[in-house]
Amino acid sequence: DAKTTQPNSMESNEEEPVHLPCNHSTISGTDYIHWYRQLPSQGPEYVIHGLTSNVNNRMASLAIAEDRKSSTLILHRATLRDAAVYYCILPSAGNMLTFGGGTRLMVKP
Amino acid sequence: DAGVTQSPTHLIKTRGQQVTLRCSPISGHKSVSWYQQVLGQGPQFIFQYYEKEERGRGNFPDRFSARQFPNYSSELNVNALLLGDSALYLCASSLAVIGGVRQPQHFGDGTRLSIL
Repeated sequence: DAKTTQPNSMESNEEEPVHLPCNHSTISGTDYIHWYRQLPSQGPEYVIHGLTSNVNNRMASLAIAEDRKSSTLILHRATLRDAAVYYCILPSAGNMLTFGGGTRLMVKP
Repeated sequence: DAGVTQSPTHLIKTRGQQVTLRCSPISGHKSVSWYQQVLGQGPQFIFQYYEKEERGRGNFPDRFSARQFPNYSSELNVNALLLGDSALYLCASSLAVIGGVRQPQHFGDGTRLSIL
């Protein structure tokens, strides 16, 4: 399975945009890029996914590099409730998820 | 709509005992997966079931087993519990793969298992 690399932690100020990077240099042509987040004391929560084009939903935007070797999850206005661990994942053919360490996002008021 | 539900939420067992954890998927979801999350780490894949058949297994010993029922609910069993089995056990359900697109997984809030 293709692996992803993310920074261990990031900090943001409340109500400012946050850009969470992910490197996936060994991605294959059919691999979708999925993002999940895990708030304290909860199970992971699906955020967004994409293949080639940038994607938007009510939670976030996903910007995918033209060569697909990296992507960026964008939270347009961080709130305290966005403090969580964010995981960038390339699901296997069987849709099994391999979680790395993720990025711990801290949001300062 | 109800999300993925897991029971119990917390459980305390002693070494050598056996435990059964339960999961009810979102209505319409036929795929159920189990993950183990040790404190401070990301979840690790244990099993995936689809239409009552095992479709994937992670790197876990044979003490771990699971099954899926006709109503798509699932149970995870762990025998001969070890201290290292203390973890949060997460269940996720999904529509699996549609048109080649791996569908998002929806997680429950887990069962926290403590081994004394």
